[in-house]
Amino acid sequence: GAVVSQHPSRVICKSGTSVKIECRSLDFQATTMFWYRQFPKQSLMLMATSNEGSKATYEQGVEKDKFLINHASLTLSTLTVTSAHPEDSSFYICSARRDSASSTQYFGPGTRLLVL
Amino acid sequence: QQQVKQSPQSLIVQKGGISIINCAYENTAFDYFPWYQQFPGKGPALLIAIRPDVSEKKEGRFTISFNKSAKQFSLHIMDSQPGDSATYFCAASRGQGAQKLVFGQGTRLTINP
Repeated sequence: GAVVSQHPSRVICKSGTSVKIECRSLDFQATTMFWYRQFPKQSLMLMATSNEGSKATYEQGVEKDKFLINHASLTLSTLTVTSAHPEDSSFYICSARRDSASSTQYFGPGTRLLVL
Repeated sequence: QQQVKQSPQSLIVQKGGISIINCAYENTAFDYFPWYQQFPGKGPALLIAIRPDVSEKKEGRFTISFNKSAKQFSLHIMDSQPGDSATYFCAASRGQGAQKLVFGQGTRLTINP
């Protein structure tokens, strides 16, 4: 159990367009989902925490209007990169936690975004 | 105080040897310490995790040693295999609130056959 999927796995888009990335918990309900960004050969940087039915909490320095997060159900969270630019190119990874009593985060396979 | 410092940055071990990766933290409120394994182009996968009430936890070839007074914890991989070649991340989180993970910088492990 505890499988998290992401879609798409890879996306290439033109500068100025918006891209939506989906994160789903396949076999459990996730009260909290997290979105990370990872640059090559670097660690994971937390972008935001999202709880089902409420607004996401963004980390310092992350633009809310740039990275729109929606956690519409207990199994789905989406990250939309609006008006993407080449500097937004990165590896985006989501994770999910079952409930508030559990500290364990299960990670998705990641989405590689390339903005041309 | 929110940092987790990981070392070494890279590590080369011969097949069958023991791989040791170390992490140190400052925030005494951290109470959950997982280790993740990440292969290129993939998301991190949880390997093993420990809480401060125990000093060691073993799962197969993977062992976490935890030193609460020194605020350090380490991952030991026994009988290291070429398939263990990956990047390893330690992390820490607090038990309250959002329980956000703070990650170490990562260690790129290479097991030579």
